Amino acid sequence: SQTIHQWPATLVQPVGSPLSLECTVEGTSNPNLYWYRQAAGRGLQLLFYSVGIGQISSEVPQNLSASRPQDRQFILSSKKLLLSDSGFYLCAWRRLAGGYNEQFFGPGTRLTVL
Amino acid sequence: SQQGEEDPQALSIQEGENATMNCSYKTSINNLQWYRQNSGRGLVHLILIRSNEREKHSGRLRVTLDTSKKSSSLLITASRAADTASYFCATDGRYSTLTFGKGTMLLVSP
Repeated sequence: SQTIHQWPATLVQPVGSPLSLECTVEGTSNPNLYWYRQAAGRGLQLLFYSVGIGQISSEVPQNLSASRPQDRQFILSSKKLLLSDSGFYLCAWRRLAGGYNEQFFGPGTRLTVL
Repeated sequence: SQQGEEDPQALSIQEGENATMNCSYKTSINNLQWYRQNSGRGLVHLILIRSNEREKHSGRLRVTLDTSKKSSSLLITASRAADTASYFCATDGRYSTLTFGKGTMLLVSP
């Protein structure tokens, strides 16, 4: 069976500090991978998606970046955090084959920027 | 930009009652999905309805889709306290991305 992991679960960082959130998927190969952000009481905003190693597409220009160094690893980074980067960050994957467009979400990382 | 918009934003009911949530979207779709999110957790897929389907059932869930009105509804019958969560509709975009609405917060009181 497939599982998706995110860490850390919670993070409190000062403004201007760097960020690295990691997401890994087990039990599948060549998945599409996604990073979403959810502000308090809001819906999900797609930040980045990746269809393969080294292939990153950005949906929203901002001070965040993403990388996919391995097939099942997706990393969200920032060089200098802003207060507005606070939120709940969710990683998700989608099975590439089969045509069934269901996404599977990780448990999320709660980021607070002070 | 938001594709799906759910209403109501919040819904409070008693156990045993039915809960109905609605979703409207703007552009044509191939399918529409509903997800559930417990507080502080990731989203869990509930049900997918394709654009050529009008109604779909899964346990106590019933989803309808009206492509002429660009709307969908999620009905939870005989609700339980454990159904308390936020519910989101999502429509498919390019490269299998999903566009989510802002969600409906459902509170089911014992």
